[in-house]
Amino acid sequence: EVQLVESGGDLVQPGRSLRLSCVASGFAFDDFAVHWVRQAPGKGLEWVSGISFNSGVIGFADSVKGRFTISRDNAKNSLYLQMNDLRAEDMALYYCAKSSRQWLDAPFDYWGQGTLVTVAS
Amino acid sequence: DIQMTQSPPTLSASVGDRVTITCRASQSISSWLAWYQQKPGKAPKLLIYKASILESGVPSRFSGSGSGTEFTLTISSLQPDDFATYYCQQYDIYSSFGQGTKLEIK
Repeated sequence: EVQLVESGGDLVQPGRSLRLSCVASGFAFDDFAVHWVRQAPGKGLEWVSGISFNSGVIGFADSVKGRFTISRDNAKNSLYLQMNDLRAEDMALYYCAKSSRQWLDAPFDYWGQGTLVTVAS
Repeated sequence: DIQMTQSPPTLSASVGDRVTITCRASQSISSWLAWYQQKPGKAPKLLIYKASILESGVPSRFSGSGSGTEFTLTISSLQPDDFATYYCQQYDIYSSFGQGTKLEIK
């Protein structure tokens, strides 16, 4: 059974940093791209970032470019999102999502349950 | 960035109705479009990819069509379990989602 389990969400002050993690199981993690998607309370889905199976291709939404970095450790079946200079508009439930292919140009066939990031002073 | 626009934002319908949701891309994305269903408190679920291919296990009352910049999701006969929010997603250049269509019970 494919599972994606996010962690690291917390209450953080504006301008501070936070690192999210996602541990995958039930599939060959090193053979698929993975993504972060967020959803602000009561709002729609927003793609944040994605990373190819071998970390060779990485993409970011304009809203987070220059502040967030994405990485993966295939030996640990893990995906990470380093979020710096957090803003109120970054407050959301952050989902980890598995791509159906090695590269970023594919739909997301499995999702985690999300980890909540709250940005407030 | 490719912008995705869905319509309508909200749709009221009854069990047994046929409904259609539209998604427009700001530039051509060929057929690189997916549809997701999301219920309150749950993660999104993939329904359709490559504009018209049904994901395994998805009921055949769901169908998708379109290419280029205009796409549609059709539910042929609404069932009680179908009342949810639906999102389109382009995956031609990175990814982006439409703003969602909430399907409500009339």
